[in-house]
Amino acid sequence: EPEVTQTPSHQVTQMGQEVILRCVPISNHLYFYWYRQILGQKVEFLVSFYNNEISEKSEIFDDQFSVERPDGSNFTLKIRSTKLEDSAMYFCASSRTGSRNQPQHFGDGTRLSIL
Amino acid sequence: DAKTTQPTSMDCAEGRAANLPCNHSTISGNEYVYWYRQIHSQGPQYIIHGLKNNETNEMASLIITEDRKSSTLILPHATLRDTAVYYCIVNAGNNRKLIWGLGTSLAVNP
Repeated sequence: EPEVTQTPSHQVTQMGQEVILRCVPISNHLYFYWYRQILGQKVEFLVSFYNNEISEKSEIFDDQFSVERPDGSNFTLKIRSTKLEDSAMYFCASSRTGSRNQPQHFGDGTRLSIL
Repeated sequence: DAKTTQPTSMDCAEGRAANLPCNHSTISGNEYVYWYRQIHSQGPQYIIHGLKNNETNEMASLIITEDRKSSTLILPHATLRDTAVYYCIVNAGNNRKLIWGLGTSLAVNP
């Protein structure tokens, strides 16, 4: 069964450094998402992306964050200048369409640790 | 905030059916009910979704009340590997932003 893959599984970065988290969505899916989960807290929506544009973003997704689909398969989340509070699990998801009847499928996440 | 209410935790004996309730009294007519689970900090795993009718797949069954104000996820024969946090989610107006609550922590006991 096709799945969403994320790399790396764990990323350790010094505060203030840039980090790029990578995702390969399911191949025939058109909508892509990033969520994060701080340890012990709820999963939080960050951004949705369709047709090379952001379709929706949360208050968390400020100017330090950006997303890109650099080629036909990858979907990336960049944090420009990381802060300690960016430490979290970051999950990528994709769905075939943006319809309410289409489930989002998630990768196993990247654990981002900011030192 | 999440539009659903779930018990914080539940227990189930291995081999028995696990029935996980969810209240979504403010659900709109075109909003689907989705169930996901998260096993020990892995990525959320899609289980099932429905609008009005009851649904069944290889993982679970979803029973939605006639007034659509509540639903129950049924794992017919729970195994130890079903121990996870189960999330009931109602679309936040569209399917491009899932709003997560704290879910139900299900412990399947031998």
